[in-house]
Amino acid sequence: GAVVSQHPSRVICKSGTSVKIECRSLDFQATTMFWYRQFPKQSLMLMATSNEGSKATYEQGVEKDKFLINHASLTLSTLTVTSAHPEDSSFYICSAGPGNRFGTQYFGPGTRLTVL
Amino acid sequence: EDQVTQSPEALRLQEGESSSLNCSYTVSGLRGLFWYRQDPGKGPEFLFTLYSAGEEKEKERLKATLTKKESFLHITAPKPEDSATYLCAVQEAGANSKLTFGKGITLSVRP
Repeated sequence: GAVVSQHPSRVICKSGTSVKIECRSLDFQATTMFWYRQFPKQSLMLMATSNEGSKATYEQGVEKDKFLINHASLTLSTLTVTSAHPEDSSFYICSAGPGNRFGTQYFGPGTRLTVL
Repeated sequence: EDQVTQSPEALRLQEGESSSLNCSYTVSGLRGLFWYRQDPGKGPEFLFTLYSAGEEKEKERLKATLTKKESFLHITAPKPEDSATYLCAVQEAGANSKLTFGKGITLSVRP
């Protein structure tokens, strides 16, 4: 089946530092990947759509300069949280699908970010 | 107005007690409806994709159905290991491919 991995699974950092999260599609190529964040006991909120070889598309209210997305290859997208603050602490999850933009999306295991 | 509404918010069942989870949606054109299971601290696990009204899919104790306005996830004779949050998401027809999620249904199955 379609497998999506994320790294790291958990990260703790100090306020003001930057954190990079990787999302990989392991057994398929994905020209489009999606980044979500999830607060405790809430559903997934789409942050941005990552497009291979072009700029990401951000949802309304998501700061582009704070959440930098790079989709440099057909199997890797990265999310960098710049100058992280405690309010950025959350569960970040990526998804991708063999059908690229449409069809079933498979999710990574998530990354728990804690900013002290 | 929410495009995807799931009910109930939480459901507690006794092992073996069958029930259904509801997902109602309001989109102009449906490209697909998706069901996922999410365990605490983990990413959503794919269960089913439904594309057209009348479609049904089954996997072990789970069966998903779709009408023009809603989808049901039927759980037959649940076991404690079925305890999780079940998420429903829709993808609208058109150029935008993003999924819109409901708030989820937390299912607890007591032994």
